Amino acid sequence: GAVVSQHPSRVICKSGTSVKIECRSLDFQATTMFWYRQFPKQSLMLMATSNEGSKATYEQGVEKDKFLINHASLTLSTLTVTSAHPEDSSFYICSATTGVGDYEQYFGPGTRLTVT
Amino acid sequence: SQQGEEDPQALSIQEGENATMNCSYKTSINNLQWYRQNSGRGLVHLILIRSNEREKHSGRLRVTLDTSKKSSSLLITASRAADTASYFCATALNFGNEKLTFGTGTRLTIIP
Repeated sequence: GAVVSQHPSRVICKSGTSVKIECRSLDFQATTMFWYRQFPKQSLMLMATSNEGSKATYEQGVEKDKFLINHASLTLSTLTVTSAHPEDSSFYICSATTGVGDYEQYFGPGTRLTVT
Repeated sequence: SQQGEEDPQALSIQEGENATMNCSYKTSINNLQWYRQNSGRGLVHLILIRSNEREKHSGRLRVTLDTSKKSSSLLITASRAADTASYFCATALNFGNEKLTFGTGTRLTIIP
């Protein structure tokens, strides 16, 4: 149980275009989803926290108009990178929690974004 | 910031040996978690230790937590080639606050 999927796993887009990444909890309802960014050989940096039906909370330094997050249901959150630039190329990982117990986070497999 | 520092940054050992990784953090926490990441993949939760616990075991994994020193260690015993991965600690500040802050990670290589 507690499986989180991401789609797509890899995406290449041209500079100036927008890309949408989906994060789904497959077998549980996720009260909260998180979006992280990871540069090569570096740690995960939290970008934003997303609760179903409300606006996402962004970490300091993360542009909310550039990284649009929508959490329309208890099983789906989307991250849209708008007007992507090469510096947005990164590994984006989502996670989800059930909101009970120890609040263990279940991570998706990640999405590799390359902006050319 | 709360981000933890892990050491060593990289560790190479022979298969069968034990691997120890350390994590330090800066402020009080509710719990500390260890995750594993294979190259280019998502994270796998390994173990969670609460602030009132000192040691926890799971299979070949042993985690300790010293809240007075704000540090934790992860020991992998009898290492296998399949243990090759990056290992991250992550801290949760408050009960009910699900936000995690990740450490810098240790890249572990097991030499067959």
